[in-house]
Amino acid sequence: AQKVTQAQTEISVVEKEDVTLDCVYETRDTTYYLFWYKQPPSGELVFLIRRNSFDEQNEISGRYSWNFQKSTSSFNFTITASQVVDSAVYFCAPPVLYGNKLVFGAGTILRVKS
Amino acid sequence: GAVVSQHPSWVICKSGTSVKIECRSLDFQATTMFWYRQFPKQSLMLMATSNEGSKATYEQGVEKDKFLINHASLTLSTLTVTSAHPEDSSFYICSARLGGGTDTQYFGPGTRLTVL
Repeated sequence: AQKVTQAQTEISVVEKEDVTLDCVYETRDTTYYLFWYKQPPSGELVFLIRRNSFDEQNEISGRYSWNFQKSTSSFNFTITASQVVDSAVYFCAPPVLYGNKLVFGAGTILRVKS
Repeated sequence: GAVVSQHPSWVICKSGTSVKIECRSLDFQATTMFWYRQFPKQSLMLMATSNEGSKATYEQGVEKDKFLINHASLTLSTLTVTSAHPEDSSFYICSARLGGGTDTQYFGPGTRLTVL
C-alpha cells in the first residue's frame, strides 16, 4: 500500500531560519507521482508541487526547494529564509499512480515566529 | 489559473435540516472532483470521488445516502448533507482535478458547517 511518513509532527523556527520538512514514502510502483500541499490557517489547501518519479532533479521555486531521492524514497521540502506567512500545515501525499485519488496523512505543522 | 470556489464559505443550520455545498472550477473543466472533510486539528479525510455524469464513488465508512453528491456539469459538483446532525459539523473541502496531461488537484477554500 502507498504510505507516507512525515516524522515531524510540529516544527517551530524563528523567522529567516531555513527549515526542512521530511517526507519518506513507501510504494511498490515504479512510476508514481508525489505531491506537496500547504494548508495555512485560512484552511484552503495550496498546491505546491507535483513530481513524477522519473524526474529526480531537485526543484527550486523562490524560497522553496525540493530534494527528491528515489533511492531512499524521500521527497523533502526546504523553505529558505522562512517567514511568518509560511506558518501552515504541510502535507506530503502518499505516492499515487497517474489520476488516482489523493489521501493525506497528518502533515507537519510549521510555526514561524517573528 | 486553476481556481476552485466553494459556496457557502460557512453555514450554520439546525439539526435535521439539509445543507448543500457547491464546488466550482472557475477556469477549467473538471471531469473529476473530490470531497474531503476535516475535523479540528486532524488531517483531511477523503469522502468521495465525483465524476461528471456518473455516480460518485464513496470511501469506506461514508454514508452515500447521507452525503449526496451530484456532478452535473464539468464545472460544478454539489455535496448535500442530509438530515444534518451536530456530529456532521466539520470543514468540508472540495478539489477538482485539472486533467489534460496532469492530474493535479486544486482545492477550494472550504466550507465550515456548524449544525446546532
